[in-house]
Amino acid sequence: KQEVTQIPAALSVPEGENLVLNCSFTDSAIYNLQWFRQDPGKGLTSLLLIQSSQREQTSGRLNASLDKSSGRSTLYIAASQPGDSATYLCAVIGYGGSQGNLIFGKGTKLSVKP
Amino acid sequence: EAQVTQNPRYLITVTGKKLTVTCSQNMNHEYMSWYRQDPGLGLRQIYYSMNVEVTDKGDVPEGYKVSRKEKRNFPLILESPSPNQTSLYFCASLPGGASTEAFFGQGTRLTVV
Repeated sequence: KQEVTQIPAALSVPEGENLVLNCSFTDSAIYNLQWFRQDPGKGLTSLLLIQSSQREQTSGRLNASLDKSSGRSTLYIAASQPGDSATYLCAVIGYGGSQGNLIFGKGTKLSVKP
Repeated sequence: EAQVTQNPRYLITVTGKKLTVTCSQNMNHEYMSWYRQDPGLGLRQIYYSMNVEVTDKGDVPEGYKVSRKEKRNFPLILESPSPNQTSLYFCASLPGGASTEAFFGQGTRLTVV
């Protein structure tokens, strides 16, 4: 059964730092991996989608990489800002289970201090 | 604007009183699903639908029902809510095909007393 783990569970950094959030999954047979942002009490905002044939995706200050063979993805945030404070979730869609079922990690809660 | 809309956003109800949470998407997506989010457990899939009149159970379906009579709508029904169904609920839609991007609604915070 696919399991997704995110480390660290929480992270506090000063404004301006570059940082890396980690996501690992146990079964490398995935269609894609998607990174989301969730603000307190709010919905999920899609940040980046990496399909299984891709190794990375970039959007602005965000860069996500995927290494299927090792079961890992990283989300790199450059020049962090207080507005980046949120919980970041990664999710995979695997070959097994119900089609389109995203398996989520429990998230990394990021706090960027001015 | 492409979006997934859930209603209501907040709901407090009593045990046993039937309720429906609505979900609608305007992107003509084939695939829709419901998740619940609980502290320490993360997001878990309740039910999903691959198209009109095609639904199936996810990982935590007990106590829930769904229907898909129209492509755009996928309501979640709690016939007899219980306190353990107090949670944050999300509806999601995908165009179809497992390699596509998922879009989520803003969530419904349900409290059952």
